[in-house]
Amino acid sequence: DTEVTQTPKHLVMGMTNKKSLKCEQHMGHRAMYWYKQKAKKPPELMFVYSYEKLSINESVPSRFSPECPNSSLLNLHLHALQPEDSALYLCASSQDRQGGRELFFGEGSRLTVL
Amino acid sequence: GENVEQHPSTLSVQEGDSAVIKCTYSDSASNYFPWYKQELGKGPQLIIDIRSNVGEKKDQRIAVTLNKTAKHFSLHITETQPEDSAVYFCAARDSGGYQKVTFGTGTKLQVIP
Repeated sequence: DTEVTQTPKHLVMGMTNKKSLKCEQHMGHRAMYWYKQKAKKPPELMFVYSYEKLSINESVPSRFSPECPNSSLLNLHLHALQPEDSALYLCASSQDRQGGRELFFGEGSRLTVL
Repeated sequence: GENVEQHPSTLSVQEGDSAVIKCTYSDSASNYFPWYKQELGKGPQLIIDIRSNVGEKKDQRIAVTLNKTAKHFSLHITETQPEDSAVYFCAARDSGGYQKVTFGTGTKLQVIP
């Protein structure tokens, strides 16, 4: 079982809705990540939080808004999404951002935008 | 930025045979190379990794080799079993400030019983 928990597992939303994806880890990791994965493609990095501060934003549109309330939680707020944003959204954590630190992934939240 | 190429995109092997997946990377500053297995409906899971100061690493039926000069690394699975069927991603992590992991395009492995 993964030690990174993501909720909800599935989400269907309209283009005018506001929703949030949630991620939680209790491994004491200080780096947390959001990835987007389209079907048959590799994960693409969206955001990195290191010690609860946003350290990487891979030029993600502002309709995606990350939030790290504390070292165990990571949220992704969604607003005015487009159908092409439909994908599997993966949360991951690592001990810290140092090289060679294993990424632990959650099972993902599958998002469908109608 | 880093670019990771992965081949083949699909691979079918008979149960008990070996499977080999190859990756190349572009950034000579990359120093950490993990391999992930992703089963249907699940997130990627690390199965083995290698650092740039090591040429080979083995864990039971899985081994990874790294050729820094040629900038390529490979995953070897021996005595394949049906439960090895999944999508495998190689990745490279640079040693720069961002410590970003770049994934290969993935290999769908099918082990035929």
